[in-house]
Amino acid sequence: DAKTTQPNSMESNEEEPVHLPCNHSTISGTDYIHWYRQLPSQGPEYVIHGLTSNVNNRMASLAIAEDRKSSTLILHRATLRDAAVYYCILRDRSPYGNKLVFGAGTILRVKS
Amino acid sequence: DAGVIQSPRHEVTEMGQEVTLRCKPISGHDYLFWYRQTMMRGLELLIYFNNNVPIDDSGMPEDRFSAKMPNASFSTLKIQPSEPRDSAVYFCASSLKLGGAETQYFGPGTRLLVL
Repeated sequence: DAKTTQPNSMESNEEEPVHLPCNHSTISGTDYIHWYRQLPSQGPEYVIHGLTSNVNNRMASLAIAEDRKSSTLILHRATLRDAAVYYCILRDRSPYGNKLVFGAGTILRVKS
Repeated sequence: DAGVIQSPRHEVTEMGQEVTLRCKPISGHDYLFWYRQTMMRGLELLIYFNNNVPIDDSGMPEDRFSAKMPNASFSTLKIQPSEPRDSAVYFCASSLKLGGAETQYFGPGTRLLVL
């Protein structure tokens, strides 16, 4: 499976935008880029995913580099509730897909 | 929908005892997954089912672990006998399909402590 690299931790101020980077230099043309997050004492939850184009949803935006070797999860206005571990995961687009393989993720701390 | 339901939420047991964790997936989802999370190993997949049939159990640590899915709305993960190193948070998740664009929905987890 292609691997992803994320910073161990990041810090943000409340109400400010947060850009969480992810490097995936060995990504294949058939890999989707997924982001999940895990709030304290909860199960992981889906945030967003994309293939080639930038994506927006109510939770976040996903910016994908033109060569697809990196991506950035953007939280437009961080709140204290966004403090969590954020996981960047690659998944093959085939109907049988790949299992979700979680790395260490990025611990996001939000300061008030 | 109530989401993925797991029970119990917390379990404390003594070494050697049998432990049974339960999961109810989201109605209509064809796939069910069991994960384990520890500080040392992070979040790892143990086993997953498709339409109640186990497909990949390569993540099951050893024979003390077993999982069943007797019907589309219920699954169990059993540890017999339990050991202190089994202490972890166990998550159940479900998804409609397995494709690369599919979303997995996780339950709240069961925190297991084996003394």
